Amino acid sequence: DAKTTQPPSMDCAEGRAANLPCNHSTISGNEYVYWYRQIHSQGPQYIIHGLKNNETNEMASLIITEDRKSSTLILPHATLRDTAVYYCIVRGHFGNEKLTFGTGTRLTIIP
Amino acid sequence: ETGVTQSPTHLIKTRGQQVTLRCSSQSGHNTVSWYQQALGQGPQFIFQYYREEENGRGNFPPRFSGLQFPNYSSELNVNALELDDSALYLCASRWDRYTDTQYFGPGTRLTVL
Repeated sequence: DAKTTQPPSMDCAEGRAANLPCNHSTISGNEYVYWYRQIHSQGPQYIIHGLKNNETNEMASLIITEDRKSSTLILPHATLRDTAVYYCIVRGHFGNEKLTFGTGTRLTIIP
Repeated sequence: ETGVTQSPTHLIKTRGQQVTLRCSSQSGHNTVSWYQQALGQGPQFIFQYYREEENGRGNFPPRFSGLQFPNYSSELNVNALELDDSALYLCASRWDRYTDTQYFGPGTRLTVL
């Protein structure tokens, strides 16, 4: 699995957009970018994933650069409940592909 | 709420003992994975079961073993517990091994003294 690099921590004001970056310069052509988050002492929660096109769902948007070497997760209107550790993961899409978690970004939403 | 449940929520054992952790997958999910999460770290993949057979394993010794049952519930067994086994143990289920989204349970916090 390709390695990802994320900033260890970020702050964002409540109500503003939170933009979380991720570098994955060694990503291969058939690998997807996944984002999960983990609120304190809970299991990780799936947010969104994409291959090369930008994706949006009810939780967030995912912007992947054209060369696919980096991506940004956008939480459009952050709330206090979005305070969590956010993991960017690159993985294949077939068979027994596991999720390889790094240490993620600790996002703190400031009131 | 993901529909994935784990038991017990907390557990304290002593070094050398054996432990069994349980996971009940979301209805219809036939693939389950187990992860170990040490304090301050991201979850680490232990192994995955698909239709009652192990079909992927991370860098964990054989004293970590598992079972998946016909109703797709599963167990993680750890023998000869060591202090470093203290961690949050997570299970995650999905519709099948090709499906992207994994649904995690709340975890079992294991403390080894």
